[in-house]
Amino acid sequence: QKEVEQDPGPLSVPEGAIVSLNCTYSNSAFQYFMWYRQYSRKGPELLMYTYSSGNKEDGRFTAQVDKSSKYISLFIRDSQPSDSATYLCAMSGGGNQFYFGTGTSLTVIP
Amino acid sequence: GAVVSQHPSWVICKSGTSVKIECRSLDFQATTMFWYRQFPKQSLMLMATSNEGSKATYEQGVEKDKFLINHASLTLSTLTVTSAHPEDSSFYICSAFPSSGNTGELFFGEGSRLTVL
Repeated sequence: QKEVEQDPGPLSVPEGAIVSLNCTYSNSAFQYFMWYRQYSRKGPELLMYTYSSGNKEDGRFTAQVDKSSKYISLFIRDSQPSDSATYLCAMSGGGNQFYFGTGTSLTVIP
Repeated sequence: GAVVSQHPSWVICKSGTSVKIECRSLDFQATTMFWYRQFPKQSLMLMATSNEGSKATYEQGVEKDKFLINHASLTLSTLTVTSAHPEDSSFYICSAFPSSGNTGELFFGEGSRLTVL
């Protein structure tokens, strides 16, 4: 079993839709959870960071962590064509080892 | 957020030559940096973990003599692709893990696209 599982998509939504991206993980020691956005031919950009459980909101983006279910989510409200990218989840237990999902490709159609 | 700069952003070289890619943490120190390779529409593939002042740790299947990594300072790691061949053409990305005030976040460079002719 992989440490981190993420549905690769592709996911295609109309502009203005709410997007839900998810990852599951198996290691209960993970405490740091990150979402990255990667545009084509660019490096990943840190979008959201959460420590332990709970929700975090930043503009149109909300990150949720449910440690009891080993499940994290990223919600994008009022999605825009500029949100079209690959979204990667990542997590760690606090050391310098990081575990990544495979990325979900999102297209927001105008 | 913290900034990681990669240079060059793209490079074209002839087969048999060596190419050096730099990864710099601009506003923080990083004892640990990582190097990845990414093929089109695929996820990141970790190549090696670079530790300041010591030898890099390479992932299984990555040739250490082919991909030389040097992490001589807390803000700079370099990846040298030696005797490059067309199959080394790829997108190479680095990331840096802050040494202090660490909140667990990892920051990526913009990536370097290598084309070997």
